[in-house]
Amino acid sequence: QVQLQQSGPGLVRPSQTLSLTCAISGDSVSSNSVAWNWIRQSPSRGLEWLGRTYFRSQWHHDYKDSVRGRITITPDTSKNQLSLHLNSVTPEDTAVYYCARDRGHHGADYWGPGILVTVSS
Amino acid sequence: DVVLTQSPRSLSVTLGQSASISCRSTQSLVYSNGDTYLIWFHQRPGQSPRRLIYQVSNRDSGVPDRVSGSGSGTDFTLRISRVEAEDVGVYYCMQTSRWPWSFGPGTKVEIK
Repeated sequence: QVQLQQSGPGLVRPSQTLSLTCAISGDSVSSNSVAWNWIRQSPSRGLEWLGRTYFRSQWHHDYKDSVRGRITITPDTSKNQLSLHLNSVTPEDTAVYYCARDRGHHGADYWGPGILVTVSS
Repeated sequence: DVVLTQSPRSLSVTLGQSASISCRSTQSLVYSNGDTYLIWFHQRPGQSPRRLIYQVSNRDSGVPDRVSGSGSGTDFTLRISRVEAEDVGVYYCMQTSRWPWSFGPGTKVEIK
């Protein structure tokens, strides 16, 4: 059974970097048959897919254009986890952040419990 | 970018009756390989979304057969027959045929 557990600060100051970690159990971050995603949800923006990372002989990353340049998703094979870094945050980045696994085009079949991150001074 | 719209945005259903939710896309969701990647999720209050249907009509393990998906191209439907109390929550469609992947705004289902 795949389990995803997220961790990180619940409050980030504007212009700072939001950093979250997703610990994976029951699967491998470097599996060559799945990808690992970050998705966020807010009342104003709904569910928003941010990006993903996956290993197919080498690491690949896909990011949503609206956050490209601010977002980095990094796998850590030694700890079997992935990280999200989103810099230059504004209050519009306030959301519940989820990590999730997908098997390609079939969408996310396992989700973490979500972590609320508030951007406020 | 592909924009998904859902209707209705909220639905009040009597137990045992049926519910249908529409999801419309601004672009065809037929992928280059001929498959269509439209997914349905269900989210209960305070929980993460749970995938119900993938590739338009394939039910996930544990999803009852009274939940079904259909459609093609740009028009898709989720149907729930014999609605039960456990069906309350918000239903989202999502497309993974075109970058960036995108979600619909959600349809809230409650019991009348």
